[in-house]
Amino acid sequence: NAGVTQTPKFQVLKTGQSMTLQCAQDMNHNSMYWYRQDPGMGLRLIYYSASEGTTDKGEVPNGYNVSRLNKREFSLRLESAAPSQTSVYFCASHRDRDSPLHFGNGTRLTVT
Amino acid sequence: QKEVEQDPGPLSVPEGAIVSLNCTYSNSAFQYFMWYRQYSRKGPELLMYTYSSGNKEDGRFTAQVDKSSKYISLFIRDSQPSDSATYLCAMSGGAYSGGSNYKLTFGKGTLLTVNP
Repeated sequence: NAGVTQTPKFQVLKTGQSMTLQCAQDMNHNSMYWYRQDPGMGLRLIYYSASEGTTDKGEVPNGYNVSRLNKREFSLRLESAAPSQTSVYFCASHRDRDSPLHFGNGTRLTVT
Repeated sequence: QKEVEQDPGPLSVPEGAIVSLNCTYSNSAFQYFMWYRQYSRKGPELLMYTYSSGNKEDGRFTAQVDKSSKYISLFIRDSQPSDSATYLCAMSGGAYSGGSNYKLTFGKGTLLTVNP
């Protein structure tokens, strides 16, 4: 039982490049989330998917897109990376609104 | 006023000390209260999960919620060097939030170091 798995663990991009961060969970959870964590800012919600087939914006969605590929997988895409998107990205999931979130170990992204 | 306030520390204590970590909040709709522990270069992991007011104990950890004061605490007894981490409080209205949005609000975390 791996929980929430994120790939890649590390990535360096040049400004303007694109990439997709992958997330998969094996807990049969309905809802999945993407957060970014920056020093002094805490965890901020980028996008979430309450259930398969739905996605919604969080606090800081600009510059990102998401795809809920199936119940297990939720990807985050940066179309044209900017230095302001340098951050640690966490994927999380849970069964429903009354249950706690389970997090992956993050993707550390640097945009130069 | 921010929705959730948490002293960022850092907090440094000797091994064996009792540690008290706290968060205050302003939204009276919050019903579910969580504490997450985050080791360096890892994702947050759930430590304690409580509903409404009261205490919950799990080994050396005790979580307290005082909804009347909008104040939550995490106590760590007999602290160990392995407890050195950042501790994040989090809270939500759960099913009482209304609508289809789920909103989990995090504190910014307190960095704890337990010295041998």
